[in-house]
Amino acid sequence: RKEVEQDPGPFNVPEGATVAFNCTYSNSASQSFFWYRQDCRKEPKLLMSVYSSGNEDGRFTAQLNRASQYISLLIRDSKLSDSATYLCVVNMEDNNNDMRFGAGTRLTVKP
Amino acid sequence: NAGVTQTPKFQVLKTGQSMTLQCAQDMNHNSMYWYRQDPGMGLRLIYYSASEGTTDKGEVPNGYNVSRLNKREFSLRLESAAPSQTSVYFCASSEWRGNEQFFGPGTRLTVL
Repeated sequence: RKEVEQDPGPFNVPEGATVAFNCTYSNSASQSFFWYRQDCRKEPKLLMSVYSSGNEDGRFTAQLNRASQYISLLIRDSKLSDSATYLCVVNMEDNNNDMRFGAGTRLTVKP
Repeated sequence: NAGVTQTPKFQVLKTGQSMTLQCAQDMNHNSMYWYRQDPGMGLRLIYYSASEGTTDKGEVPNGYNVSRLNKREFSLRLESAAPSQTSVYFCASSEWRGNEQFFGPGTRLTVL
């Protein structure tokens, strides 16, 4: 099993839709997680940190399910500008705080 | 406040050539990282530095060397480039290891 797994997509949704991505991780000792956004040919940028059961920031909600070892990212009222690749990052606290990156989920929001 | 800067943005090398990728951050961060990103794969850590003068190997260190010149700068050197090193290279920094990381704009490297 990969350490961090994401559905590569692409997810194609209309403007205004609600879309959710999941990310599964294999290390049960991991305590902190991050969602990054990466635009085409650009660097990753932090979207949200997830330290406990979840986090909400405007239209974006991240949730953590420790029992099933996955985190999710929910985007409500999708905008054209949300089109990007979303990277899930898992902190391996029991391995020197090494970060493991998922390969990303691609989202395209269409008019 | 420029954040994390990298040079060059693009580079084409022939097999066997050497080059150094430069990275600098102005956020007074302690930790710095070099990653490579290949299609269909997550970012993979090449080397990590916790502070000036200290470096540790990451997941894919073979074929690379690094130097943490001071708190601001962290360079990555390819001594003898190989086609397998064709990739996009990102430098990143964070206050401490395990904190959120801030990335530079990346270097697109092609080795022929």
